[in-house]
Amino acid sequence: EAQVTQNPRYLITVTGKKLTVTCSQNMNHEYMSWYRQDPGLGLRQIYYSMNVEVTDKGDVPEGYKVSRKEKRNFPLILESPSPNQTSLYFCASRPGAGGRYEQYFGPGTRLTVT
Amino acid sequence: GENVEQHPSTLSVQEGDSAVIKCTYSDSASNYFPWYKQELGKGPQLIIDIRSNVGEKKDQRIAVTLNKTAKHFSLHITETQPEDSAVYFCAASPLGAGGSYIPTFGRGTSLIVHP
Repeated sequence: EAQVTQNPRYLITVTGKKLTVTCSQNMNHEYMSWYRQDPGLGLRQIYYSMNVEVTDKGDVPEGYKVSRKEKRNFPLILESPSPNQTSLYFCASRPGAGGRYEQYFGPGTRLTVT
Repeated sequence: GENVEQHPSTLSVQEGDSAVIKCTYSDSASNYFPWYKQELGKGPQLIIDIRSNVGEKKDQRIAVTLNKTAKHFSLHITETQPEDSAVYFCAASPLGAGGSYIPTFGRGTSLIVHP
């Protein structure tokens, strides 16, 4: 089944404790992105990647890091989480060929930072 | 940057009625406009999209219309069913050189279809 998977689905942590949220897709998509979703704000893009070793900032990159060492994986790293990073996070992927822009989203990771 | 306004924030209809959700955008360079449906506890799912060279697109009970002059686009759902109940998001973005794509999303519309 074609899908985007994220782990963990739920995470409660404390301020300053480094964490990583993993994202993997099995559709051989070139493009991958991370979003955060906050009540009343819709989705905002954190980082995106156009291919292996190619990443760039989205609208709200502060406090986050990403890496793209393999085509299928795009982990989101919070080096020193703070309470304002409490949010619902989504990973997404999309094809790169043929000018296709439809995105496929993962199921989400709900992060709470206390 | 782009600014997308979405209305209404909540829409309640009876089964079988039509539902219309409207979005306006500010950046005249935007040329790709997707709509996503998000069910409770799940990620958004693309239901229909439109590019700026097209004024209308249909897929069964769902249609999207685009008015580039007025900078607004709308989602139309006909013959609504209870399973259409979800949060719907619009988005707008220019399609950048080299494939870069940073969409701006609306704040979402919670559609409730009463049986």
